[in-house]
Amino acid sequence: GAVVSQHPSWVICKSGTSVKIECRSLDFQATTMFWYRQFPKQSLMLMATSNEGSKATYEQGVEKDKFLINHASLTLSTLTVTSAHPEDSSFYICSVQSVSGSYQETQYFGPGTRLLVL
Amino acid sequence: AQSVTQLDSQVPVFEEAPVELRCNYSSSVSVYLFWYVQYPNQGLQLLLKYLSGSTLVKGINGFEAEFNKSQTSFHLRKPSVHISDTAEYFCAVSESGGSYIPTFGRGTSLIVHP
Repeated sequence: GAVVSQHPSWVICKSGTSVKIECRSLDFQATTMFWYRQFPKQSLMLMATSNEGSKATYEQGVEKDKFLINHASLTLSTLTVTSAHPEDSSFYICSVQSVSGSYQETQYFGPGTRLLVL
Repeated sequence: AQSVTQLDSQVPVFEEAPVELRCNYSSSVSVYLFWYVQYPNQGLQLLLKYLSGSTLVKGINGFEAEFNKSQTSFHLRKPSVHISDTAEYFCAVSESGGSYIPTFGRGTSLIVHP
């Protein structure tokens, strides 16, 4: 399957600061990337779908000004949590998918980023 | 829209015993089905998937799943579990021919005891 990396794996920040999380597709060009949020002992909640070269599509209830997504290239998408607060503390996971080829039907996930806002 | 139900939130089992994790789905169209495993503080790893063809799908780590269209199920099985199989397991479904964005179940925590 596809190899996906995320950086950083852990981040601790003060309330009010902004945090950027990177998601990289290492072995194929991902036309679409997804950002999920996961609370402890719960399933994944899709936050947004990111298409290369266009604006992200956010799920209902997700603040687009709070969670800025940039899909600048076919191998990199970034999620910036702006003015982070303790309630933004969570596990953020990205996934990649291609619109064609062998990776078309399947999402491949990154290792996740644990965010703790103090 | 599709939905996924994982009937068991937690499944405790002894090492070397067989296990079945249940997954049922609902959809008005043809579907693709997936099982993912998540170890603590890690992302999701694809265990296996059903896209078409044989209804019995074999995956990594000795797991297999069977697609049953009449019962709208895709249960995950392993004949003999190891301590290292302790993890969270997620069933997911997406609509074939659609956006392929999956809907995830709530997850089943498999706890293997020595």
